[in-house]
Amino acid sequence: KNEVEQSPQNLTAQEGEFITINCSYSVGISALHWLQQHPGGGIVSLFMLSSGKKKHGRLIATINIQEKHSSLHITASHPRDSAVYICAVPYGGSQGNLIFGKGTKLSVKP
Amino acid sequence: DAGVIQSPRHEVTEMGQEVTLRCKPISGHNSLFWYRQTMMRGLELLIYFNNNVPIDDSGMPEDRFSAKMPNASFSTLKIQPSEPRDSAVYFCASSFNTGTGVYNEQFFGPGTRLTVL
Repeated sequence: KNEVEQSPQNLTAQEGEFITINCSYSVGISALHWLQQHPGGGIVSLFMLSSGKKKHGRLIATINIQEKHSSLHITASHPRDSAVYICAVPYGGSQGNLIFGKGTKLSVKP
Repeated sequence: DAGVIQSPRHEVTEMGQEVTLRCKPISGHNSLFWYRQTMMRGLELLIYFNNNVPIDDSGMPEDRFSAKMPNASFSTLKIQPSEPRDSAVYFCASSFNTGTGVYNEQFFGPGTRLTVL
């Protein structure tokens, strides 16, 4: 079974700061998923990536398959970015049932 | 596209009562997943279906939990009898599994917040 570790667990930043959240996993995977969960509870898919880097607005996700590590970056952070960010990896091959990290709770202060 | 639809959004019930959670996956998706989220354990897979067939139910806590998928557009998760420790948020997610060995992105419903008193 894959183990997924995220760091930090909690992160407080000032508006405008550059944010980095890290995710490490123990077993080789085909893809990795970054999710966002807002205080209201809904889960939104941010990225699914299997190599290199993806960018969407102020969010950038990178993955290094050899090092079994992924990072999520937020540039020019804003209070509305405050949420829990969850890393997840598929377990069981192609079926894609996910193993989740514990999440990183981000709070961006104005 | 309406996305994954779950009902009810909130459920409060008393210990011993039967609870039924419902999920409608995204049209065209052939895989459906039920997850549970608690403060202590985070998000965990309960069961998933592929083409309406349960593939892995090893995450179902005990016999009080059961899940069905009678057709491609509907699934239920039932707890009978419910207990206070079942209080959690239950998420349904769906994806299109191409069966090629490649992971396919999952889309989550809004969740059902269950409170068992």
